[in-house]
Amino acid sequence: GEEVAQTPKHLVRGEGQKAKLYCAPIKGHSYVFWYQQVLKNEFKFLISFQNENVFDETGMPKERFSAKCLPNSPCSLEIQATKLEDSAVYFCASSQSDIQYFGAGTRLSVL
Amino acid sequence: AQSVTQLDSHVSVSEGTPVLLRCNYSSSYSPSLFWYVQHPNKGLQLLLKYTSAATLVKGINGFEAEFKKSETSFHLTKPSAHMSDAAEYFCVVSFTGTASKLTFGTGTRLQVTL
Repeated sequence: GEEVAQTPKHLVRGEGQKAKLYCAPIKGHSYVFWYQQVLKNEFKFLISFQNENVFDETGMPKERFSAKCLPNSPCSLEIQATKLEDSAVYFCASSQSDIQYFGAGTRLSVL
Repeated sequence: AQSVTQLDSHVSVSEGTPVLLRCNYSSSYSPSLFWYVQHPNKGLQLLLKYTSAATLVKGINGFEAEFKKSETSFHLTKPSAHMSDAAEYFCVVSFTGTASKLTFGTGTRLQVTL
């Protein structure tokens, strides 16, 4: 597609439940990035992929968070046993150069 | 290490007057610098980027930014604000090259009044 598609737009989970977010990058883009936006303005890098391979996972919490980009499937970000502090907007971006194109985000609310 | 400081969390201007959003950066390497805009409940849209070509960069919607290495600044300007410019603006830095993660400033909310 011509834009990064993120689903769902809004996800509500009780504390301890699993959350799974999806991202379809722009067709032809080899790189996918996940960012977490908390407190409205604080962006934190989580992880990036080059095709299906993890490229940089330095921002990924060691526990509870995992991500995949499999061939012919949307990329996914999964949070096991969500906590209140995981409430945030999660953005996916894709690129084929130094410019990253962002999706509209998934708002995760943990209650 | 690299970081970005946006000097104003909130800027208010009247429609038709100039806009100045300030950004200073810190980077050990030649950086790529970007300005992104975020309208309420929307994703991030690229306004412009600097990657070591011309120091004055023109972007979309009449926005410009000037890279000043001596001041480590990359301020965003627009000669005349429009109501539709009201949004959150983020100054962003990365190492030059594809696949580098982005480091964001904390954002500046631009308010445009009649």
